[in-house]
Amino acid sequence: SQQGEEDPQALSIQEGENATMNCSYKTSINNLQWYRQNSGRGLVHLILIRSNEREKHSGRLRVTLDTSKKSSSLLITASRAADTASYFCATAGLNRDDKIIFGKGTRLHILP
Amino acid sequence: SQTIHQWPATLVQPVGSPLSLECTVEGTSNPNLYWYRQAAGRGLQLLFYSVGIGQISSEVPQNLSASRPQDRQFILSSKKLLLSDSGFYLCAWIVRRNTEAFFGQGTRLTVV
Repeated sequence: SQQGEEDPQALSIQEGENATMNCSYKTSINNLQWYRQNSGRGLVHLILIRSNEREKHSGRLRVTLDTSKKSSSLLITASRAADTASYFCATAGLNRDDKIIFGKGTRLHILP
Repeated sequence: SQTIHQWPATLVQPVGSPLSLECTVEGTSNPNLYWYRQAAGRGLQLLFYSVGIGQISSEVPQNLSASRPQDRQFILSSKKLLLSDSGFYLCAWIVRRNTEAFFGQGTRLTVV
């Protein structure tokens, strides 16, 4: 079954605004990752945050992780039309089973 | 450099026909390899993963199978396709546990 659940399922914002997407998961994790997918393409890794980290930045991306609430958020600041894509969170569990489980994703549409 | 090749990009197959999708990785050794399926507008479902040659873990019991005949080769197969096998199939690899995953460009399979 899916580990991560993103919300909202879809998000439309004006160019220049900030976009926030959330992810919740069910079991203890080793790390949480965010990926981006352009329509009909493979996924591209954006950022990885380990379970002992609370916040991480990469360019216009800011990721937070709250292990007590089993949730994470991805913030994209000053959005651009090129940010239009689907965004997925993925988790790697503590068990030595090497699984990487993805959520259902948030479809982000940046309006010009 | 490290790259992943997945082919074909698009495939249309009749119901009951066999399937073979191949994924190869370059520039690394002993990667973890993954097969995911994505239904239209949905998240990624983990189908199989492998931590070494001949080692396959199945996540979803169905008429698909996977094999890893060589260190950097991962094959997804079916003896008889069903309509429900249609989807976007993605191959991915990681160099070691708890690192980012790299994805191929995917194969869009339509079973008719």
